[in-house]
Amino acid sequence: SYELTQPPSVSVSPGQTARITCSGDALPRKFAFWYQQKSGQAPVLVIYEDTKRPSEIPQRFSGSSSGTTATLTISGAQVEDEADYYCYSTDNSGDQKVFGGGTKLTVL
Amino acid sequence: EVQLMEAGGGLAQPGRSLRLSCAASGFKFDDFAMHWVRQAPGKGPEWVAGITWNSGTTEYADSVRGRFTISRDNSKKSLFLQMDRLRFNDTALYYCAKDVEAAADGGFDHWGQGTLVSVSS
Repeated sequence: SYELTQPPSVSVSPGQTARITCSGDALPRKFAFWYQQKSGQAPVLVIYEDTKRPSEIPQRFSGSSSGTTATLTISGAQVEDEADYYCYSTDNSGDQKVFGGGTKLTVL
Repeated sequence: EVQLMEAGGGLAQPGRSLRLSCAASGFKFDDFAMHWVRQAPGKGPEWVAGITWNSGTTEYADSVRGRFTISRDNSKKSLFLQMDRLRFNDTALYYCAKDVEAAADGGFDHWGQGTLVSVSS
């Protein structure tokens, strides 16, 4: 079965840049989506189609993709960015729709 | 403003059935595919099922195929999930999610708040 691999945790100080990676064999051909989930809340889309940011998401959030790795970057991370982050994509056929295991971002 | 409101969760015994519904508003419902995504306690999200804008194609995760059925009623802007032969490991918060496109191949740009399904004897 298809898998997306994320680091379990990333830790940065406020104002630093946080980078969260997502690796998958189909990412050269399939878009990655990124979701932020704070405790007790539904996931929120922060990046779609590798690099696009919804208008309501702060500009410090950006996305990129190269080869088999997609990356979510938070430039100047804030304490309120502490959350679990999940990438999402599909296998080459589009049949298997999967989330990465999630990355817990700590900002302190 | 896009709103998705799930209902129908609750406690069910293994082998029994539940039917979830999702009421959509704030967007042109019949322009977009829709999905169900679940999240077990303490775990990450898991895609469950998706349906194209016109119900022409439905897709299922291996874990639910043959037991769950996704459907929609565009006239009522509603999405459904019929859950049969429930198992203990179906226990989760079930989210309704809107696709970014009409086919079910995109990601999800809006989520509801979820409805809790607990399977226990």
